[in-house]
Amino acid sequence: AQSVTQPDIHITVSEGASLELRCNYSYGATPYLFWYVQSPGQGLQLLLKYFSGDTLVQGIKGFEAEFKRSQSSFNLRKPSVHWSDAAEYFCAVGAGAGGYNKLIFGAGTRLAVHP
Amino acid sequence: GAVVSQHPSRVICKSGTSVKIECRSLDFQATTMFWYRQFPKQSLMLMATSNEGSKATYEQGVEKDKFLINHASLTLSTLTVTSAHPEDSSFYICSAPVSGGLDSTDTQYFGPGTRLTVL
Repeated sequence: AQSVTQPDIHITVSEGASLELRCNYSYGATPYLFWYVQSPGQGLQLLLKYFSGDTLVQGIKGFEAEFKRSQSSFNLRKPSVHWSDAAEYFCAVGAGAGGYNKLIFGAGTRLAVHP
Repeated sequence: GAVVSQHPSRVICKSGTSVKIECRSLDFQATTMFWYRQFPKQSLMLMATSNEGSKATYEQGVEKDKFLINHASLTLSTLTVTSAHPEDSSFYICSAPVSGGLDSTDTQYFGPGTRLTVL
């Protein structure tokens, strides 16, 4: 069965520090992988997605993620965190072709940013 | 980008009553929409897939008679929580996919969610 694991429930970083949020997936075929961010009172916003091709994916707000098939990972990174990045981050795998099939979400990682 | 709206954003109701939540795709058509439920500080759990012109597909363990889904048009899906009870209190979120074209995967756009509180 497909699953997504985000090992870190809560992470705190200082503003300006680098960030890496971990995501591991379990999926039999080539996965469609996504990172979403959820801010309080806001809907989920897509940060980036991996479909195929280059394994290093650039997203919005300065985020990037690297797909590593050998490690079944799709970790999210940002070189310098801003206070506005404090939010809940969800990794998801698309179970099937494209986004018309259901998304399976990880438990989420709550990011806190110290000034 | 594509916009998905939900109405209402927040609703409080008495136990035993029914509540309807609307999900609309504002600038695109969606033959498929998804309904998720999110408990406090937890992840999103897919409840059902809403299909325009046909019956919804429910995930295992989701009571179809309690959570009625109607995909009335290409831009509107509704979720009705029937005979609501306090344990139905949750954050309900819908999403709709937008085709990414031949060279890209589709992307799901999410509504802002509806907070349901059953007293």
